[in-house]
Amino acid sequence: QSVVAQPPSASGTPGQGVTISCSGSSSNIGTNYVYWYQHLPGTAPKLLIYRNNQRPSGVPDRFSGSKSGTSASLAISGLRSEDEADYYCVAWDDSLSGPVFGGGTKLTVL
Amino acid sequence: EVQLVESGGDVVQPGGSLRLSCAASGFIFTSYALSWVRQAPGKGLEWVAGISNSGISTYFVDSVKGRFTISRDNSKNTVYLQMNSVRAEDTAIYYCAKDEFGISTGGWDHWGQGTLVSVSP
Repeated sequence: QSVVAQPPSASGTPGQGVTISCSGSSSNIGTNYVYWYQHLPGTAPKLLIYRNNQRPSGVPDRFSGSKSGTSASLAISGLRSEDEADYYCVAWDDSLSGPVFGGGTKLTVL
Repeated sequence: EVQLVESGGDVVQPGGSLRLSCAASGFIFTSYALSWVRQAPGKGLEWVAGISNSGISTYFVDSVKGRFTISRDNSKNTVYLQMNSVRAEDTAIYYCAKDEFGISTGGWDHWGQGTLVSVSP
């Protein structure tokens, strides 16, 4: 059981928007940056959002991140079939002295 | 272009040892921390170990402390994960990842393609 919680699944239809939540504590999300990754199993994970709400070059602006207190969210607008993947949030945990992954959310585009 | 190429994955018996390597190119190696992240079959991603840009600071997830070590050779642009006393639960794809800073933060902007470690009798 991860110290950072994500819903195991989310879904939406093409063109819709979806939000994935990430809930932590004062030792991780509450005091450190949150990062979001997109992962298709067997391939290299991809950084989607860094430092809570920044997008690397090449990531579409359909992806956005936010953070408030000990929670963070990844919003995806205008869903496309290629968005179907696993999404993970990560934050450094001061108590564990290491980064912690959320359990991951499997996004299905119906 | 940043490249991270892992190698060394293999089938190993429980209790055995294995050394993974990650050869890096396309960036100033001595400026960035590096980590190993794994994914066990049917499971999510899990951070395993990290090392600062200088190599002075190392970090490990509790489940591998005392069994795994991480090191880097800044003259060869390579980071290593020495895995000792391996267990069945160490079976996973192991990814090498470059941090956006010189210390480990969880912000990995580039990843390798992974190398498979299978612990089996």
